[in-house]
Amino acid sequence: ILNVEQSPQSLHVQEGDSTNFTCSFPSSNFYALHWYRWETAKSPEALFVMTLNGDEKKKGRISATLNTKEGYSYLYIKGSQPEDSATYLCAFSDGGATNKLIFGTGTLLAVQP
Amino acid sequence: NAGVTQTPKFHILKIGQSMTLQCTQDMNHNYMYWYRQDPGMGLKLIYYSVGAGITDKGEVPNGYNVSRSTTEDFPLRLELAAPSQTSVYFCASSYPRTSGYNEQFFGPGTRLTVL
Repeated sequence: ILNVEQSPQSLHVQEGDSTNFTCSFPSSNFYALHWYRWETAKSPEALFVMTLNGDEKKKGRISATLNTKEGYSYLYIKGSQPEDSATYLCAFSDGGATNKLIFGTGTLLAVQP
Repeated sequence: NAGVTQTPKFHILKIGQSMTLQCTQDMNHNYMYWYRQDPGMGLKLIYYSVGAGITDKGEVPNGYNVSRSTTEDFPLRLELAAPSQTSVYFCASSYPRTSGYNEQFFGPGTRLTVL
């Protein structure tokens, strides 16, 4: 059974703080690692798809790194804003033909003004 | 494009009743998926389809059925609803993996309560 774990489960920060969280995934049969942002009462939206060891992706104040050899990815948010409050999900793909993703349980980020 | 749409948004079902959750996408995606999301458990795959006429079980298929008669629609049927099926259900779609490292696009979800 493939296991994707995220930590911490939840995080409360003040506006302006920078923060990061972790996604751990199987290091064998790696194909891609997806990050999604999921706001309350909305549907998950894709942030990044990461494929190569050492990959670093950035979108505004949010960036992510990837280590496929040791099986982890970090998501960083610089200068958190209240609108960053959401659950951040990572999902692992082993490249199967069906494009199935194995999701972690997410990190719930709350940014207080 | 409306993307992925789901109906209904909310529903309360009695134990033993049946219902169908609707999912439609207008992005011409071959692949479609049904997930359920329970608190602290993440998204679990119920069923998926790689094209019209083709469906397969995911991680938690018991108590559910699906069909895929068209590329656009992928309804999920609950037969003999049980309280354990109380959850938020998400439908998603994507292009085939062979088209690239394709993200899945999610619908807004259906919150189902079985009492």
